[in-house]
Amino acid sequence: SQQGEEDPQALSIQEGENATMNCSYKTSINNLQWYRQNSGRGLVHLILIRSNEREKHSGRLRVTLDTSKKSSSLLITASRAADTASYFCATEGGSGGSNYKLTFGKGTLLTVNP
Amino acid sequence: GAVVSQHPSRVICKSGTSVKIECRSLDFQATTMFWYRQFPKQSLMLMATSNEGSKATYEQGVEKDKFLINHASLTLSTLTVTSAHPEDSSFYICSANGQGNIQYFGAGTRLSVL
Repeated sequence: SQQGEEDPQALSIQEGENATMNCSYKTSINNLQWYRQNSGRGLVHLILIRSNEREKHSGRLRVTLDTSKKSSSLLITASRAADTASYFCATEGGSGGSNYKLTFGKGTLLTVNP
Repeated sequence: GAVVSQHPSRVICKSGTSVKIECRSLDFQATTMFWYRQFPKQSLMLMATSNEGSKATYEQGVEKDKFLINHASLTLSTLTVTSAHPEDSSFYICSANGQGNIQYFGAGTRLSVL
C-alpha cells in the first residue's frame, strides 16, 4: 500500500518566511491531499491535487505533484504564527479504483516564530 | 458546511469498561466514515472503514471484536472500545467522506484508560 512520508519532520521559521514541506509515496494514486492539524485537534483539509494535475494554488498555499518521482510539495508563503501546526500529506486510491481510503504520512511539525 | 462532530472530546475510564465514541456529519450525509487512531506525535493509522447499512471493514491487525463499529444512519457512526485496557489509551479521530472525495474530520477523542 502507498505510504506518504514527509520531510522535514520538523521545520522552524520566522514569520513572513516561506515554508516548504515535501511528501513522497510509493505506489500509484488517484489524488494526494494535504491536511493540517493543530495540537490535540482534528484535521483540516487544505488542498487536493489529482494525479493528472501538476500544480494547484489556494490562497497562500501552493501544492505541486510529480507522479514520475512520486512526490509532492506544499509551500506556504508569507507564513504567520497562526500557521504553526502539523501538516500531513495523504494519498488516496491507485490501480483498481478508489475506496476513498487515505494513507497518511508521518507529518511535518511547522513552527512559525513571531 | 461539511462539519463533523465527534463526542466526547475526552474520556477517562477504568480498565475493563467499554467506551462509546460518536461521530456525526452535521450538514451532509456520509455513507462512508473512517476511524483512525493516533499516538502522540505520530501519524494517523486507519483502523476501519464504516459503511452505512453494512459491516465495517477493518484494517489488518485491528480486532473487530475489540473495536465495535456501528453505522446506523447516514449521519452517525459509533466506535465502541470494549473492555478497555491502558494500552487502548490513545487519540481516536473519525472522518466522513464528503463532496469531492474530501474527508472531513471530527475534533478527536482522547481516551485515557486507568
